[in-house]
Amino acid sequence: EAQVTQNPRYLITVTGKKLTVTCSQNMNHEYMSWYRQDPGLGLRQIYYSMNVEVTDKGDVPEGYKVSRKEKRNFPLILESPSPNQTSLYFCASSLSRRNEQFFGPGTRLTVL
Amino acid sequence: QKEVEQDPGPLSVPEGAIVSLNCTYSNSAFQYFMWYRQYSRKGPELLMYTYSSGNKEDGRFTAQVDKSSKYISLFIRDSQPSDSATYLCAMSGSGGSNYKLTFGKGTLLTVNP
Repeated sequence: EAQVTQNPRYLITVTGKKLTVTCSQNMNHEYMSWYRQDPGLGLRQIYYSMNVEVTDKGDVPEGYKVSRKEKRNFPLILESPSPNQTSLYFCASSLSRRNEQFFGPGTRLTVL
Repeated sequence: QKEVEQDPGPLSVPEGAIVSLNCTYSNSAFQYFMWYRQYSRKGPELLMYTYSSGNKEDGRFTAQVDKSSKYISLFIRDSQPSDSATYLCAMSGSGGSNYKLTFGKGTLLTVNP
């Protein structure tokens, strides 16, 4: 089944404790992206990747890192999480930047 | 003025009603227009994809784009309780950074049986 998977789905952590949210897609997509979704603010892009080893900042990149060492994986790294990073995070992928984006199921992160 | 404006609702309608959802935008470079549906605790899924102005129909769903007014709509005919979800409009331009997908904040729709 064609899909985007994210892990973990739910995470509660404390301020400053490094964490990684994994994202994997099995559709051989070139383009991958991370979003956060907050009430009243909608979906905002954090980082995106046009291809392996090519990443760039989205609208709200502060406090996040990404890497794209393999085509299928695009992990999101929070080196020192803070409470304002409490949010619902979505990974998405598409054939190219112009195509339909397929979203993962989401990761609900709470930073205490 | 925000790039994409969407009334957050909530919108509550009886089963069988015609639903109209709308977005306005300010960036005249937008050429690709999409509607995503997001069920509670799920990721958004693409519902309709339209290039430039015009109408597109898919079953009970019709998407309309009026570029002259910078206004897009999604119509749902014979609405069903299973249509209850948040509907997000999204749009992008072409070329360079204009490909970035910009989302509306979503409209929460409830269809009551």
